[in-house]
Amino acid sequence: QKEVEQNSGPLSVPEGAIASLNCTYSDRGSQSFFWYRQYSGKSPELIMSIYSNGDKEDGRFTAQLNKASQYVSLLIRDSQPSDSATYLCAVNGGTYKYIFGTGTRLKVLA
Amino acid sequence: GAGVSQTPSNKVTEKGKYVELRCDPISGHTALYWYRQSLGQGPEFLIYFQGTGAADDSGLPNDRFFAVRPEGSVSTLKIQRTERGDSAVYLCASSSLAGGSRNTDTQYFGPGTRLTVL
Repeated sequence: QKEVEQNSGPLSVPEGAIASLNCTYSDRGSQSFFWYRQYSGKSPELIMSIYSNGDKEDGRFTAQLNKASQYVSLLIRDSQPSDSATYLCAVNGGTYKYIFGTGTRLKVLA
Repeated sequence: GAGVSQTPSNKVTEKGKYVELRCDPISGHTALYWYRQSLGQGPEFLIYFQGTGAADDSGLPNDRFFAVRPEGSVSTLKIQRTERGDSAVYLCASSSLAGGSRNTDTQYFGPGTRLTVL
């Protein structure tokens, strides 16, 4: 079992819809969780970080964390074509080593 | 500049050659990380520096890989006797360890160096 798992996609949603991206992790001791966006040929860019169970909202983005079920999700409201990218989930178990998933490719259709 | 910079942006080399990849972190960031990203994969941890010392080099795949950060700022990743399997994008990230808590450490990535070994 991979330490951080994501569906590789592509996940296709129409413009204006809600995109829901999911990530599961295996280490119950994980303490901090991050979502990065990566455009093709570019480096990862931090979108959200979350450390406590529940929801965290920032503009059109909402991160959700459920430590009991070991999953973290990212919701993108009012999806735009410019949101089309690969979304990477990263998990930190309290050390300095971040474990990344393989990423989910999102396509927002105009 | 305000961000992490990496040079060169692209490097093409022949199998068996030696390469050096450079990372210049955000000014004041004490933590520096190297990752390797292959096509269709997420970044894979290689090594972490806190100041001048390598605090965790458990991700280096073998002894052909080595990294230094002699003055606690710029870092160089060195790969000896390159192999075709080393071809990937090498990413550098830095962080400030804001608040002194590693649990809330946020990493900022550079643009990467695309290494191609022929």
